[in-house]
Amino acid sequence: DARVTQTPRDKVTEMGQEVTMRCQPILGHNTVFWYRQTMMQGLELLAYFRNRAPLDDSGMPKDRFSAEMPDATLATLKIQPSEPRDSAVYFCASGLVHGLVFEQFFGPGTRLTVL
Amino acid sequence: AQSVTQLDSHVSVSEGTPVLLRCNYSSSYSPSLFWYVQHPNKGLQLLLKYTSAATLVKGINGFEAEFKKSETSFHLTKPSAHMSDAAEYFCVVSADEKLTFGTGTRLTIIP
Repeated sequence: DARVTQTPRDKVTEMGQEVTMRCQPILGHNTVFWYRQTMMQGLELLAYFRNRAPLDDSGMPKDRFSAEMPDATLATLKIQPSEPRDSAVYFCASGLVHGLVFEQFFGPGTRLTVL
Repeated sequence: AQSVTQLDSHVSVSEGTPVLLRCNYSSSYSPSLFWYVQHPNKGLQLLLKYTSAATLVKGINGFEAEFKKSETSFHLTKPSAHMSDAAEYFCVVSADEKLTFGTGTRLTIIP
């Protein structure tokens, strides 16, 4: 049963520290998305990649966030320096065109708490 | 541009009674529409999707949704609620690779 995996599942850190979240997309999926979920803002798209190339990162604070795909099996989201307002659940999703529909499959999320 | 409005932030129903979660969408193109469910502290799971093949779409766990173009609606229903249905439900619209999420409806099941 193919799944998107994310590590770590939970992360508690102090303000100013660097945080790296990792995602392994489903093998064969060529599109990867990063989302952030908070009570106030709901689900927000931060960035996405197709064939490892960044297509849209307009939802991401550029000064402290960066997203990369070093290879087809790994996507990373980095925050440096972290701030308390970054506390949220971060989801990765990978996507596949299925007929005329583009479908996304979500990972379990990384719950980030910045103290 | 595309958007989706979930008309109820919170719905409570008794176990065994019908469920109705309402969703209206706006899209410049022929959209794809989805319902996702999120159980507490879990990721998002696809319940069902509309792909223009049939207006009545059946999903997992007994859920279904009907696409009504004239009303720009895609409401989610289930004939009989189960305790395990308690979760957050998201209506989602897509006209390309990107998904636009509604604000979610929290479904509470009363024993």
